[in-house]
Amino acid sequence: GAVVSQHPSRVICKSGTSVKIECRSLDFQATTMFWYRQFPKQSLMLMATSNEGSKATYEQGVEKDKFLINHASLTLSTLTVTSAHPEDSSFYICSARKATSRYNEQFFGPGTRLTVL
Amino acid sequence: DAKTTQPNSMESNEEEPVHLPCNHSTISGTDYIHWYRQLPSQGPEYVIHGLTSNVNNRMASLAIAEDRKSSTLILHRATLRDAAVYYCILKPGGGADGLTFGKGTHLIIQP
Repeated sequence: GAVVSQHPSRVICKSGTSVKIECRSLDFQATTMFWYRQFPKQSLMLMATSNEGSKATYEQGVEKDKFLINHASLTLSTLTVTSAHPEDSSFYICSARKATSRYNEQFFGPGTRLTVL
Repeated sequence: DAKTTQPNSMESNEEEPVHLPCNHSTISGTDYIHWYRQLPSQGPEYVIHGLTSNVNNRMASLAIAEDRKSSTLILHRATLRDAAVYYCILKPGGGADGLTFGKGTHLIIQP
């Protein structure tokens, strides 16, 4: 199998606080993990690419100081939304690429719904 | 990434086959055709991918046109659980980049 989990599945926080979201590959090693964001009735937008042991690469328009990504092991990446504001409310989804992948198929987590009050 | 074009929505009846089309006239020789689907309030799920030959797996079949400018995802016997947004995405083989999602096709299954 290729199972990816995310925690928490849902979080509500006050404006100005920070929120950490974990993404784990449960039964495989993932050299690369990706973070996406999805606003209501829109498609997924890639935010950043995270490689184990190195700094994340952010897409244009995504603030790296606001969305902190850490990929400390081959099975865990974390996304921290710092000083969250209501406009950061969204569905955050991670995916993982197997270290042995030849075709770049990705396996997605179930998503984390963030609501900032 | 090369662009893909899919119908916004399609409707089918339960237990009937569904053919979801995707046009990709600017596909390059190294691009693989990937399909993902996203059920409501969930993360996307990998469905199938192919390069030139038709592909089958337990979820679906992928039929690729001879000129590779279009492809069709086939669900042989749709169930209510197949109601989702289906995305057709092109990616070079061996790459490690994130995926570019278009709007996809919203598949509605009628009981």
